[in-house]
Amino acid sequence: RKEVEQDPGPFNVPEGATVAFNCTYSNSASQSFFWYRQDCRKEPKLLMSVYSSGNEDGRFTAQLNRASQYISLLIRDSKLSDSATYLCVVINNDMRFGAGTRLTVKP
Amino acid sequence: DAGITQSPRHKVTETGTPVTLRCHQTENHRYMYWYRQDPGHGLRLIHYSYGVKDTDKGEVSDGYSVSRSKTEDFLLTLESATSSQTSVYFCAISDLAGIRQETQYFGPGTRLLVL
Repeated sequence: RKEVEQDPGPFNVPEGATVAFNCTYSNSASQSFFWYRQDCRKEPKLLMSVYSSGNEDGRFTAQLNRASQYISLLIRDSKLSDSATYLCVVINNDMRFGAGTRLTVKP
Repeated sequence: DAGITQSPRHKVTETGTPVTLRCHQTENHRYMYWYRQDPGHGLRLIHYSYGVKDTDKGEVSDGYSVSRSKTEDFLLTLESATSSQTSVYFCAISDLAGIRQETQYFGPGTRLLVL
């Protein structure tokens, strides 16, 4: 079983839609959680950290459920520019990356 | 954007050939990492460095070696390239490590094709 698992998608949504991604992790001792964004043929970049209390950054909301060992990312009012692959990242001691969920937002 | 460059950006080589990839940073970060990214696997750590001449193995280190003679440079060497090492290689840096790290900053990547 992979340490970090994500639905690979692709998610194809119209502009303005709300879309949610989940990510599960296997190591209950994991301490820190992040979402990264990776555009096609580019490097990953930090999108946001995920806190136990949940956190919001504009149209993006991240949640952590330690009991069920998953994190989520909600994108509201999707824009064309949100099209990318979203990587779930979990830190125990090392950084472990999910394989990514691909999102395409269409006009 | 963090000052990280990788060279070459693209390389085609033949099986059995040695290959060296270079990562250069201008941020003076202590920690440097080499990852490979393959479809369905996400980013996997090959080797990392926690200081000049201090390196350690990652998840998928077989067939790779690294060296760090200066803070700013981290080299990844494939001693004898194999087709299974065809991948996209990313270098990353961070100023903290382990559970204290907030983020890693990635270089633009090197696309390697081994024929």
